[in-house]
Amino acid sequence: AQKITQTQPGMFVQEKEAVTLDCTYDTSDQSYGLFWYKQPSSGEMIFLIYQGSYDEQNATEGRYSLNFQKARKSANLVISASQLGDSAMYFCAMREGPGTGGFKTIFGAGTRLFVKA
Amino acid sequence: DTAVSQTPKYLVTQMGNDKSIKCEQNLGHDTMYWYKQDSKKFLKIMFSYNNKELIINETVPNRFSPKSPDKAHLNLHINSLELGDSAVYFCASSLTTGIFAEAFFGQGTRLTVV
Repeated sequence: AQKITQTQPGMFVQEKEAVTLDCTYDTSDQSYGLFWYKQPSSGEMIFLIYQGSYDEQNATEGRYSLNFQKARKSANLVISASQLGDSAMYFCAMREGPGTGGFKTIFGAGTRLFVKA
Repeated sequence: DTAVSQTPKYLVTQMGNDKSIKCEQNLGHDTMYWYKQDSKKFLKIMFSYNNKELIINETVPNRFSPKSPDKAHLNLHINSLELGDSAVYFCASSLTTGIFAEAFFGQGTRLTVV
């Protein structure tokens, strides 16, 4: 079963507008971490933001904020004032553990964001 | 200073060959990973090592053998390469004890098997 679901394969947003990228997750653990990564066309994976399962406040990092709704198991990424350089693939990820396999980070299928001038 | 570095960045080889990808991190992390990103951009964990010990092996063919000489290095050796092995392979590292510790990624190695 999919543990991380990103339902939007692709999204378009006008430059300077805000955009929300959806992410839902599935876990029975009480402690877990949620992350967003950006992968531009150059291929590297860039960490953007994280949210701990016990954090009551939504995480923010500059223009990025994570809309965490624990009861709904969602961790949407909000990018404010989009820039052309935000065009990239965005991955939602969850870190859980330790189980017998230790801590591991698993990823959703990604959302490709296109920012229009 | 590059935090997680992989070499080579590109690798083109013929079917049946054996190849290795090297990874080094200078972050002082004690957990390292190999991920495979397929042509549809899906990232899947392959292996995880903690202090040189294998702790995750996600049903990867035996042709793939990770080796960790020390906790700062995790190399990936692939025997008898197949066309389906073509992908981007990412090395990553994180703190073991932190469930909230993000994984830091290398720049990826694009492997093309012809």
